[in-house]
Amino acid sequence: GAGVSQSPSNKVTEKGKDVELRCDPISGHTALYWYRQSLGQGLEFLIYFQGNSAPDKSGLPSDRFSAERTGGSVSTLTIQRTQQEDSAVYLCASTARPGEANEKLFFGSGTQLSVL
Amino acid sequence: DQQVKQNSPSLSVQEGRISILNCDYTNSMFDYFLWYKKYPAEGPTFLISISSIKDKNEDGRFTVFLNKSAKHLSLHIVPSQPGDSAVYFCAANAGGTSYGKLTFGQGTILTVHP
Repeated sequence: GAGVSQSPSNKVTEKGKDVELRCDPISGHTALYWYRQSLGQGLEFLIYFQGNSAPDKSGLPSDRFSAERTGGSVSTLTIQRTQQEDSAVYLCASTARPGEANEKLFFGSGTQLSVL
Repeated sequence: DQQVKQNSPSLSVQEGRISILNCDYTNSMFDYFLWYKKYPAEGPTFLISISSIKDKNEDGRFTVFLNKSAKHLSLHIVPSQPGDSAVYFCAANAGGTSYGKLTFGQGTILTVHP
């Protein structure tokens, strides 16, 4: 596909359950980011992958959150033992040149996560 | 501590008039500023950016102004069109190894009336 693809588009889960969110970046983009947007808030950086380098996990809010990127392409964000405050839109973005200041991010449409 | 702030949650303007969206920041290490636009049920899309060494950048109907001493930037849209109705996010980065690691403001909902 031409753009960043995320699945599922919507996920409703019960408190305490684990969820997995998937991101398929634009082909050839070496850098992949996860952000989340809580209601009424701006986008919040979560984690960043670049090639084979160790990911920058500095934005993950707790150890219940983890992410991996397999084969330098698809990424999965996992939230264990979900809490109601995890409810948000989770956005994935990719870019080809993360080291260039004017390089823009290409975002997917996001996964709306609702924790009941 | 919110390092990037958009103090106006919403803005309403008439078609053909100017839209001015404002953004303030606190981190003096920020060296690149961007605006993203978001339509409902879609991801944000890049609109325009400006380096901290400049005070103005223009792209068609969109102009971004940066006032470093005031730690303030603004996005001007002239003339505004109904299709510009969206949420506008101001964002900033401090460079380093990844310019994609952005700090976003809360967003301003722009509504352009026909």
